[in-house]
Amino acid sequence: EAGVTQFPSHSVIEKGQTVTLRCDPISGHDNLYWYRRVMGKEIKFLLHFVKESKQDESGMPNNRFLAERTGGTYSTLKVQPAELEDSGVYFCASSQGRTGAYEQYFGPGTRLTVT
Amino acid sequence: AQSVTQLGSHVSVSEGALVLLRCNYSSSVPPYLFWYVQYPNQGLQLLLKYTTGATLVKGINGFEAEFKKSETSFHLTKPSAHMSDAAEYFCAVSGWTDKLIFGTGTRLQVFP
Repeated sequence: EAGVTQFPSHSVIEKGQTVTLRCDPISGHDNLYWYRRVMGKEIKFLLHFVKESKQDESGMPNNRFLAERTGGTYSTLKVQPAELEDSGVYFCASSQGRTGAYEQYFGPGTRLTVT
Repeated sequence: AQSVTQLGSHVSVSEGALVLLRCNYSSSVPPYLFWYVQYPNQGLQLLLKYTTGATLVKGINGFEAEFKKSETSFHLTKPSAHMSDAAEYFCAVSGWTDKLIFGTGTRLQVFP
């Protein structure tokens, strides 16, 4: 069974540009999460999809970030326009159900560098 | 609100020595507690979790953790370190929502 995949693995863009990160969850997982780790700090929750609906987007930093999950399958996270402070590693995770009962499986992350 | 504190951003041990990684949490609801490990260039992998029941939880690769409510702790231990244990370890908590709240991570180095 394929795990959570993320694309690209690395992205270097200039301030003001747009970047789109993609996450493909494990097949059949209705729950999809995005997290971000800024260098030296903790991994922080961004948002949670259940199928195609946003269940919790309380961690989204501002309106420059837009997350979508087309048809309840893969998800994209767009940053437009990117700022220096957006640099970090963006992780995607998926699970079959509620966090206490089901494991969140993480992808390898996308390392975003904004220069 | 929930939070996690991991004491020590770096821990070094000799191969064969005890591994102890500390985690304290704060939660206004009964917590679910997790330890994840990240090996270089890989995603986070679940080591073990506590939800309810037995407070001593055994995980993969010989790791275990004990939930101590009175101390609000969930420290990770392994009796004998192996070179392959070198990685970054994250403690996390969740509660009535599904999101994970992580600590800042502890990088474990194992010396021969």
